[in-house]
Amino acid sequence: SYELTQPPSVSVSPGQTARITCSGDALPKQYAYWYQQKPGQAPLLVIYKDIQRPSGIPERFSGSSSGTTVTLTISGVQAEDEADFYCQSTDGTGAYPVVFGGGTKLTVL
Amino acid sequence: QVQLQESGPGLVRPSGTLSLTCAVSGDSISGSHWWSWVRQPPGKGLEWIGEVFHSGTANYNPSLKSRVTVSVDKSKNQFSLKLSSVTAADTAVYYCARDPRVGSTYFENWGQGTLVTVSS
Repeated sequence: SYELTQPPSVSVSPGQTARITCSGDALPKQYAYWYQQKPGQAPLLVIYKDIQRPSGIPERFSGSSSGTTVTLTISGVQAEDEADFYCQSTDGTGAYPVVFGGGTKLTVL
Repeated sequence: QVQLQESGPGLVRPSGTLSLTCAVSGDSISGSHWWSWVRQPPGKGLEWIGEVFHSGTANYNPSLKSRVTVSVDKSKNQFSLKLSSVTAADTAVYYCARDPRVGSTYFENWGQGTLVTVSS
């Protein structure tokens, strides 16, 4: 099977920068996507194709990629950013077309 | 503005078949998008189930492939999920989602989700 590995939790104080990583062997060749999910809500796409931000997503959300790790960065974290974040990608062979990371709980202290 | 709405029984008996429908409004299901099902067990992460194109072509998660069918009904602008031989492990919130398939699979629009409980 193909796995994407995320830290279970990240904690930051308001105004600080939060970085959430996602690691996978195929990430150097496959795009990654990031979703934010607040309690009781459906996931919301916040980053696509590693670094692109959908319209309506605040500029403080950004993505980057380096080797087998992609990173979601939230600059100037606000209390409303507290949520679960999931990365998503593919193994690129067709065997595992869609894989989600295990999710990271972002806590705003 | 596309909207997706899941519907179906909230309770399914063990060994039975889970059946859900996703009604699409604001977009034609016969366009260029793919249509997916994703589930989330209570307190756990997201799991992709499968996808379908308006042609009827479908792809599935290897771990569920033997039990899953995703199909499309163009006349009603909706698509459906059937999951057979369910157990308590299939208890989850089930989401339908739209995939623009621009390069690779991702989900730009989601339904609100529907909780399905497998219990006798």
